[in-house]
Amino acid sequence: NAGVTQTPKFQVLKTGQSMTLQCAQDMNHEYMSWYRQDPGMGLRLIHYSVGAGITDQGEVPNGYNVSRSTTEDFPLRLLSAAPSQTSVYFCASSAMGRGPTYEQYFGPGTRLTVT
Amino acid sequence: AQSVSQHNHHVILSEAASLELGCNYSYGGTVNLFWYVQYPGQHLQLLLKYFSGDPLVKGIKGFEAEFIKSKFSFNLRKPSVQWSDTAEYFCAVKTGANNLFFGTGTRLTVIP
Repeated sequence: NAGVTQTPKFQVLKTGQSMTLQCAQDMNHEYMSWYRQDPGMGLRLIHYSVGAGITDQGEVPNGYNVSRSTTEDFPLRLLSAAPSQTSVYFCASSAMGRGPTYEQYFGPGTRLTVT
Repeated sequence: AQSVSQHNHHVILSEAASLELGCNYSYGGTVNLFWYVQYPGQHLQLLLKYFSGDPLVKGIKGFEAEFIKSKFSFNLRKPSVQWSDTAEYFCAVKTGANNLFFGTGTRLTVIP
């Protein structure tokens, strides 16, 4: 199993450009999410999905769009990049559930710089 | 709304010293609690988790954490740290839904 994969690893954008961060998982997890990590702020939830065709907003959704057309993929779109979106982005996935086997698995991250 | 506080922003220890990192959360209902570690340049990995039962939870690499419900705390401990424990440590809370809420993280530097 590859687990959770993300591409690209690094990206530099100019203000106003758009791009899509890719995320895929091969564990057949229903739940997928996107976080951004900023110094001194921990990880903050951007958007999440509980299954194909179902997405919802997290704590910091402004400036980002998501869709979930398949169980495996959960891309994050920046429509018009701004310097405030410079961050490290992590994708995560988990099975749905409340039991003690629950765990969120994280991808390796994408470091995005907006100039 | 739930929140997670990690009061230690940066901790510096010598090898073999004992470690305790604080984590407090605010949420009145049932919570599941997690500690994740992020080694330099890597993604987050699960250290340990608490769901129910024994409030003292043992994780990987000699780490443990104690859930104290009356104090809304879930502190991480290790009796003797190693240089390889240098990393950032995140406490997280999961409430009824699947979403995790993270603290701001504690950076641990272990000096050989």
